[in-house]
Amino acid sequence: EAGVAQSPRYKIIEKRQSVAFWCNPISGHATLYWYQQILGQGPKLLIQFQNNGVVDDSQLPKDRFSAERLKGVDSTLKIQPAKLEDSAVYLCASSSRGVSWREGGETQYFGPGTRLLVL
Amino acid sequence: EDKVVQSPLSLVVHEGDTVTLNCSYEVTNFRSLLWYKQEKKAPTFLFMLTSSGIEKKSGRLSSILDKKELFSILNITATQTGDSAIYLCAVGYSSGYALNFGKGTSLLVTP
Repeated sequence: EAGVAQSPRYKIIEKRQSVAFWCNPISGHATLYWYQQILGQGPKLLIQFQNNGVVDDSQLPKDRFSAERLKGVDSTLKIQPAKLEDSAVYLCASSSRGVSWREGGETQYFGPGTRLLVL
Repeated sequence: EDKVVQSPLSLVVHEGDTVTLNCSYEVTNFRSLLWYKQEKKAPTFLFMLTSSGIEKKSGRLSSILDKKELFSILNITATQTGDSAIYLCAVGYSSGYALNFGKGTSLLVTP
């Protein structure tokens, strides 16, 4: 089974520039998550999709961050304009909601992440 | 405010030692506690715990949950250099599927 795919793996930009990250979840996984992981911290949820609908975006800085999952499969996360404090690893994860949670349906599988450096 | 606290934050041991990593939580609508191992970038799933007192094992790793005292431990016996990683604890909620992560424990196993 192919894992969660993300691209690019690394990105260096200057502050006030724009950047976009792409994620393709595990086939058949209805739920997709974007996390931000700042150095020395655990991942923090930015946004959660169920198919093509947003379930939770309460921690997404909506003045600069946006995300979409138009066809309910792959997803794009955008930052515009970027700030220095956005330097982090952006992790995408997916899970197969609909499977009984007792059977591990909520286990999230993570992609390799995109390491963003804002100068 | 919900909290997931891991301790210690970092640990250095010698190969062959046994280590115990701790995770305590104060959250509403608790459903599950998960452990992940993070090497380089992507966290990889280790265990999901939903019931108190039932130990889960995978090779040299084991974990148990205490829902009364609100903590979990992750044990690694006969550590190897390949166990060097950050170990993340996360809580899953009954109200949704997003996870709330602790800061992680950075484990370094020296030869």
